[in-house]
Amino acid sequence: NAGVTQTPKFRILKIGQSMTLQCTQDMNHNYMYWYRQDPGMGLKLIYYSVGAGITDKGEVPNGYNVSRSTTEDFPLRLELAAPSQTSVYFCASSYSDSKGGNEQYFGPGTRLTVT
Amino acid sequence: DAKTTQPTSMDCAEGRAANLPCNHSTISGNEYVYWYRQIHSQGPQYIIHGLKNNETNEMASLIITEDRKSSTLILPHATLRDTAVYYCIVRSNNAGNMLTFGGGTRLMVKP
Repeated sequence: NAGVTQTPKFRILKIGQSMTLQCTQDMNHNYMYWYRQDPGMGLKLIYYSVGAGITDKGEVPNGYNVSRSTTEDFPLRLELAAPSQTSVYFCASSYSDSKGGNEQYFGPGTRLTVT
Repeated sequence: DAKTTQPTSMDCAEGRAANLPCNHSTISGNEYVYWYRQIHSQGPQYIIHGLKNNETNEMASLIITEDRKSSTLILPHATLRDTAVYYCIVRSNNAGNMLTFGGGTRLMVKP
C-alpha cells in the first residue's frame, strides 16, 4: 500500500490565484481529513469527511472548499489564495470502529507559499 | 474534548528511557488518550492510544493513572531517530474522529 499520497509537494501561489491540493489513500478508509500547520504550531483541522459524498467543517474552514466523490480521493480547493494561507497542509485518513479506534495515517504534506 | 498540558521540551540520553508526561485533568469517562509524534517536516505518526488500562506496542508504552487525569508515554530505549514533537491528544468516540493537536513536547535525544 502507498498509504496517503499528496500532490504537489511544494507550490508557490500569487495572491488571488486558485489551486487544488490532491490527496489519495489506498487503505479503503472511510474517514479523511485536511489539516494545516503553521510554523512552530500544532495542526489545525480544516475539513473532514466521514465517507463519500459527506464533508464537514473543522476548526479553520474559511477560504477552503472540499469534495469527496470517491472513497479514495479528498481534494482541497483554495479559491482566492491569501498570504495567511501560507502553511504546510497535511491530509490524513482513518477507519472508524466501535471501540473508538482512530489511528490516523498522514500524508507527507504540501508546502504552500502565497506571495 | 478535554484539553491536555505537556511540557514544552525535554531532553533524553540515547539508550535511556524517555518518559513524556501529559496532564488531562478534565478528561471524561468516554475519552481516549492518544499519542502521536511528528519528526521534522514529516506528517504526524500514530504511536499508541488507551482508555483506562496501560497499553504497550512495539513503539512505546502508555501508562494512564487510575483517576485518568494524567498519563505518561514511555519510549524504553530512546534513539536519535526518536527526536520529534510528541502530541498527547484526548478525544471521545463521538467527536467525528477529529484530533485536536496542541503544542506538544519537543523531545531531543542526545548522544
